[in-house]
Amino acid sequence: IQMTQSPSTLSASVGDTVTITCRASQYISTYLNWYQQKPGKAPRLLIYGASTLESGVPSRFSGSGSGTDFTLTISSLQNEDCATYYCQQSFSMRTFGQGTKVEIK
Amino acid sequence: EVQLVESGGGLVQPGGSLRLSCAASGFTFNTYEMNWVRQAPGKGLEWVSYVSRSGTTLYYADSVKGRFTISRDNAENSLYLEMNSLRAEDTAVYYCARDLGHGYTGIFDYWGQGTLVTVSS
Repeated sequence: IQMTQSPSTLSASVGDTVTITCRASQYISTYLNWYQQKPGKAPRLLIYGASTLESGVPSRFSGSGSGTDFTLTISSLQNEDCATYYCQQSFSMRTFGQGTKVEIK
Repeated sequence: EVQLVESGGGLVQPGGSLRLSCAASGFTFNTYEMNWVRQAPGKGLEWVSYVSRSGTTLYYADSVKGRFTISRDNAENSLYLEMNSLRAEDTAVYYCARDLGHGYTGIFDYWGQGTLVTVSS
C-alpha cells in the first residue's frame, strides 16, 4: 500500500489553521496514524485510528478521514509545531507517507 | 518510564553484517509487539520489521526480506535486528519502536533515540 502526502512543504503563520492530506493507494478503513518529527529527534505519535488523539497531544491537532483519504489539521499553529509530519497505514503491513514539512512564516 | 535504547550501529562495508540491539525498560516487554523503523539521512521513515509478543510471527519490508532477521529475548527485555548482505541503501538511523498494544497493532507509541548504520567502503 502506497501512502501519498500533500503538500511536501507548507509555510504558515502562527495562529493559522493548517491541513495536511494523506491518500492511500487502496482501502485502509481507518487504519491511519500520524506522527510528528522534529530535527534530530525520534518521531512522536499524534493520532491513531485516523482520529484518536494520543494521550498528551494538544487538542489543536485533529485527524479525520476513512477509506483512502485522510487529513491532519493543526488549528491555531504554534511555533513548536514546526516539524515534519508523517502519515502511516497499519491496515496491511506498515507504510509511511513521504512526509510534510511545516514551516513557520 | 518507558525507555528504548538502541545500540550496535556503526560503519560497515558493503556486503558486511551488523547486529542491532534495543534494550527495553519501564514496561512489561513480553506483552508488546515490537518493530524496527529506519530513516536514511535527510529522507523519510521506512518501516523495516515486526515481531509478535512471543517472537513467533515475523514480518519484513520487501527491501530487507531475506537479508535482515528480527528477534527478541523476553527474558532479557531486548529486541534485535541481524543485518546481513548490507548495501549502501541500508545506511540510515535505525529506531526500535513499540506497538501501542491493547489490541492495537502497527501503531508506534514509543521510540528509541536511534542508532546510525553507515554502509560504505
